[in-house]
Amino acid sequence: ILNVEQSPQSLHVQEGDSTNFTCSFPSSNFYALHWYRWETAKSPEALFVMTLNGDEKKKGRISATLNTKEGYSYLYIKGSQPEDSATYLCAFSYGGSQGNLIFGKGTKLSVKP
Amino acid sequence: EPEVTQTPSHQVTQMGQEVILRCVPISNHLYFYWYRQILGQKVEFLVSFYNNEISEKSEIFDDQFSVERPDGSNFTLKIRSTKLEDSAMYFCASNPVRASGGQPQHFGDGTRLSIL
Repeated sequence: ILNVEQSPQSLHVQEGDSTNFTCSFPSSNFYALHWYRWETAKSPEALFVMTLNGDEKKKGRISATLNTKEGYSYLYIKGSQPEDSATYLCAFSYGGSQGNLIFGKGTKLSVKP
Repeated sequence: EPEVTQTPSHQVTQMGQEVILRCVPISNHLYFYWYRQILGQKVEFLVSFYNNEISEKSEIFDDQFSVERPDGSNFTLKIRSTKLEDSAMYFCASNPVRASGGQPQHFGDGTRLSIL
């Protein structure tokens, strides 16, 4: 069974704090790792797609790293702002699939002003 | 920026009734997906669709479910005889290619399906 785990489940930080979350996924038959940002009543918004071991990607204050050998990815947010409050989902796709994504449960981030 | 659109945003249906959820994927995309999220659980893959046929489906996608692309723009999910456990948020997604090689999937806002 292919399983994706995310931790922590929820996180409360103060504005200006930096934070990070973890996504664990199967290390065998890896194809790609996706990070999405999801606000309530909106569509999940793609942040990053990473495919290579050691990949690091950055978008403004948000960055992500990937370790396919040990099966984990970290998402970092530097200097959190209230507008960063959302659920951050990671999803894994595997070789041989038609691109379907296997999701973790998400990390719900709340940033207090 | 092009978007995936889903209608309705909320659907309330009696148990046993048929329901059709509608999606308009981004126009030049070729791969289409349905996912669902039961409240408090993970987003789960249901089905992928390419070249006018199902390319992959999960165990959840049993005979009660079907998908169709009737007119080249809409992509529909039909549940033939709804059960209480079908209550969930249903997401449609599309891709220009398979979700690989650095291409994210593009999601709609979802349809919240409530079965009474």
